Amino acid sequence: AQRVTQPEKLLSVFKGAPVELKCNYSYSGSPELFWYVQYSRQRLQLLLRHISRESIKGFTADLNKGETSFHLKKPFAQEEDSAMYYCALRDNTDKLIFGTGTRLQVFP
Amino acid sequence: DSGVTQTPKHLITATGQRVTLRCSPRSGDLSVYWYQQSLDQGLQFLIQYYNGEERAKGNILERFSAQQFPDLHSELNLSSLELGDSALYFCASSPSRNQPQHFGDGTRLSIL
Repeated sequence: AQRVTQPEKLLSVFKGAPVELKCNYSYSGSPELFWYVQYSRQRLQLLLRHISRESIKGFTADLNKGETSFHLKKPFAQEEDSAMYYCALRDNTDKLIFGTGTRLQVFP
Repeated sequence: DSGVTQTPKHLITATGQRVTLRCSPRSGDLSVYWYQQSLDQGLQFLIQYYNGEERAKGNILERFSAQQFPDLHSELNLSSLELGDSALYFCASSPSRNQPQHFGDGTRLSIL
């Protein structure tokens, strides 16, 4: 079954601390993975796409096919990073399958 | 601003009623996707259209229907509304397959 798992509902860190938001997936084909961010239940904004291998707002994510993971990392968290983060997988019908999301709280 | 426009932003109605949510995709995008975000179900794919034709269906109830018009805007129709239909409904668009989906601001539907 196709599934995206984000094991942590809430991750709380202090400003300047490293952050890792976990994402694991289950997919039989070749996956395409994304991270989306949602501030205060506003629209979902594309943060990262595994194909592009770029860094946005200091965040990076590496696809690990062996561990079926696509964890999101940032070395130094900022208060403005506080938001909901969703990992998503695009399947072969082109729809996105989302994880349940992780709320990141960055304290000053 | 993602370029995807959804109207209305908020909708408050009663059980048993029918509503229409509208989405205008980004200029040049042929694919439109509808998602429902609720507290208990999370983000769920509903339906996708490509250049006017239905492409994929997710967990969309029979009370719900959608269409994409020749000018590429899309409408999601929800009928016989129930309390459990209260949610944020997002529209996303992309130029084609294998391109990222960009989301609108959503329509917040509240059923009283």
